[in-house]
Amino acid sequence: ELKVEQNPLFLSMQEGKNYTIYCNYSTTSDRLYWYRQDPGKSLESLFVLLSNGAVKQEGRLMASLDTKARLSTLHITAAVHDLSATYFCLPDGAGNMLTFGGGTRLMVKP
Amino acid sequence: NAGVTQTPKFQVLKTGQSMTLQCAQDMNHNSMYWYRQDPGMGLRLIYYSASEGTTDKGEVPNGYNVSRLNKREFSLRLESAAPSQTSVYFCASVSWEGSSNEQYFGPGTRLTVT
Repeated sequence: ELKVEQNPLFLSMQEGKNYTIYCNYSTTSDRLYWYRQDPGKSLESLFVLLSNGAVKQEGRLMASLDTKARLSTLHITAAVHDLSATYFCLPDGAGNMLTFGGGTRLMVKP
Repeated sequence: NAGVTQTPKFQVLKTGQSMTLQCAQDMNHNSMYWYRQDPGMGLRLIYYSASEGTTDKGEVPNGYNVSRLNKREFSLRLESAAPSQTSVYFCASVSWEGSSNEQYFGPGTRLTVT
């Protein structure tokens, strides 16, 4: 059974600061997704990481995947208030069973 | 393209009532998923269908049944609703062919069971 752990669960940070969200998972997975969810809304796709060593960047967010360590990171550079949301990672388990991490609620303060 | 659509958007049920949540996608995706999200929590997988004609249990299947009616449609049925099933239900689809493999989510169905 694929287990997914995100750290931290809650993150309050100042605008302009950098921080990293970690996603650890328990079994082999060659694909991992990152999503953003605003309160009361559905999920918005941020990144699809398809292989070991994959790195993708969009604006102030950068995601990476290390399949050997079973670890993905989402790095936030110079945070702004608009990044306040909940972020989820989703590794692809066996048989295309997609299991979410618990989410990281990010609050960026002016 | 409409993407992933879900009906209804909101529903209130009494304990013991039954209902079916509908999901459809127009992207020709092979795989479809049903998740539930309880307040302040992450999403938990209820059932999924890796391809037309197949369905598999996820983490929390008890109390639910699913039907993959065709490639486009994947429905979730609550036979006898319970207050513990009060949640937001999301449907999603993904194609494993090609290089994108992006998973698309529907807008959600907010279900309250009293």
